[in-house]
Amino acid sequence: DVKVTQSSRYLVKRTGEKVFLECVQDMDHENMFWYRQDPGLGLRLIYFSYDVKMKEKGDIPEGYSVSREKKERFSLILESASTNQTSMYLCASSSGLAGVGTGELFFGEGSRLTVL
Amino acid sequence: AQTVTQSQPEMSVQEAETVTLSCTYDTSESDYYLFWYKQPPSRQMILVIRQEAYKQQNATENRFSVNFQKAAKSFSLKISDSQLGDAAMYFCAYRSVNEKLTFGTGTRLTIIP
Repeated sequence: DVKVTQSSRYLVKRTGEKVFLECVQDMDHENMFWYRQDPGLGLRLIYFSYDVKMKEKGDIPEGYSVSREKKERFSLILESASTNQTSMYLCASSSGLAGVGTGELFFGEGSRLTVL
Repeated sequence: AQTVTQSQPEMSVQEAETVTLSCTYDTSESDYYLFWYKQPPSRQMILVIRQEAYKQQNATENRFSVNFQKAAKSFSLKISDSQLGDAAMYFCAYRSVNEKLTFGTGTRLTIIP
C-alpha cells in the first residue's frame, strides 16, 4: 500500500517562527503536493512538484516555500509564520507524469498547525 | 479556472438507508476526470470512486455509485445501505487532462444509528 507520512500531526508555533512540515512517500511517486484545508473552503493547493528539485506554485503560494531534494521527500516551509496560516496541511502524492493519468492522490494524515 | 460546488455542507442519514451527495462543476473541457474522496475523522483522505468523462456508464464501487450527468455538469455520489463507518467529510474533485485537481468545499456526512 502507498504510504504518505507527515512528520508532525500537531504543531503549535509563535508568530514569526520558521516552520518546516515534512512529508515522505514510499511508492516512488513522481508528483507530490501540499494542500491547505480550511472549513468551508475545501482543499487549496499551495505548491506541487513533479520531479526532484522542481516546484510549481499552486493557487495560494504566498507565504510558503517548498523543497524537494529527494524524490520521496517534499517539505513545506513557512518562513515567518502568521496567525492566518493556522490550518490543516495535507501532503499528497501521485504517480505518473504531471497531468497525465487518472490523477488519484494518496494523502498523508495531515498536520494541524496552530500559530499563536 | 474550473470550479467545483458542493451545495450541502452537512448531510445526515439513518444507518442502512441511502443518501445522495451533490456536486456540480464548471468546465469548458470535454475530457476530464471526476472523483469523490472521503476523509474520516482524524484519518487520511482516501479515494472512494472515480469517473472518466468519456465513459457514459456510471462508476460503481460496492455500495458507492455515481450519477454522472455530463450535459448538466453534475456528479452526485450515492451511498447505499449506509454504515457507521461511512461518517466522514466527502469531497468532490475535478481534473482535466494536464491540470491540477480542484476540490469542492466538502460535505460532512453523519450516520444516525
